Amino acid sequence: DAGVTQSPTHLIKTRGQHVTLRCSPISGHKSVSWYQQVLGQGPQFIFQYYEKEERGRGNFPDRFSARQFPNYSSELNVNALLLGDSALYLCASSPLPNTGELFFGEGSRLTVL
Amino acid sequence: ILNVEQSPQSLHVQEGDSTNFTCSFPSSNFYALHWYRWETAKSPEALFVMTLNGDEKKKGRISATLNTKEGYSYLYIKGSQPEDSATYLCASPTPSGGSYIPTFGRGTSLIVHP
Repeated sequence: DAGVTQSPTHLIKTRGQHVTLRCSPISGHKSVSWYQQVLGQGPQFIFQYYEKEERGRGNFPDRFSARQFPNYSSELNVNALLLGDSALYLCASSPLPNTGELFFGEGSRLTVL
Repeated sequence: ILNVEQSPQSLHVQEGDSTNFTCSFPSSNFYALHWYRWETAKSPEALFVMTLNGDEKKKGRISATLNTKEGYSYLYIKGSQPEDSATYLCASPTPSGGSYIPTFGRGTSLIVHP
């Protein structure tokens, strides 16, 4: 069975640009969440979606947005990129948005120059 | 804000050594505790999901204990092997808006030398 897939795996942008990251959950998983991981820190929660509705939002500026599609895949959008947005962006899926384990993708590595 | 702390930040051991590290979390408002193993260039993978005080779980040479009253969990690796080298993350989900949002610790980076 396919795991969580994310694209692109690596990308380089310049300040002020925008970026769209994509995530396909494990088949049957209806909850998708996004995390930002910078070196030396644990993954920081950005968004959670369940059944196409936003269920949680972390402490990130409005430049960050996301959505979930009818097939439960998800996009994370970041506008007006800053140098500090350089990070690994992880997507995780789960059957339900409960206390159960998360299934992660390998992440999208964003570098902002 | 839920603070999840992990120690040590990094650990170097020799092959065959046994080791352990700690995850601490606020004992109030506890729902579950997750341990993940994150190997370089791969995705984090769940090791254990623990919910009950006194819970002990084991997977091969790796085991974990949970004390929800004092707010800590230990992860033990017996007879470390080079393939155990990874970052070990713990996370504690708390309710928010009808869902559960996990707060992650910074992780413990384990390097096992042959």
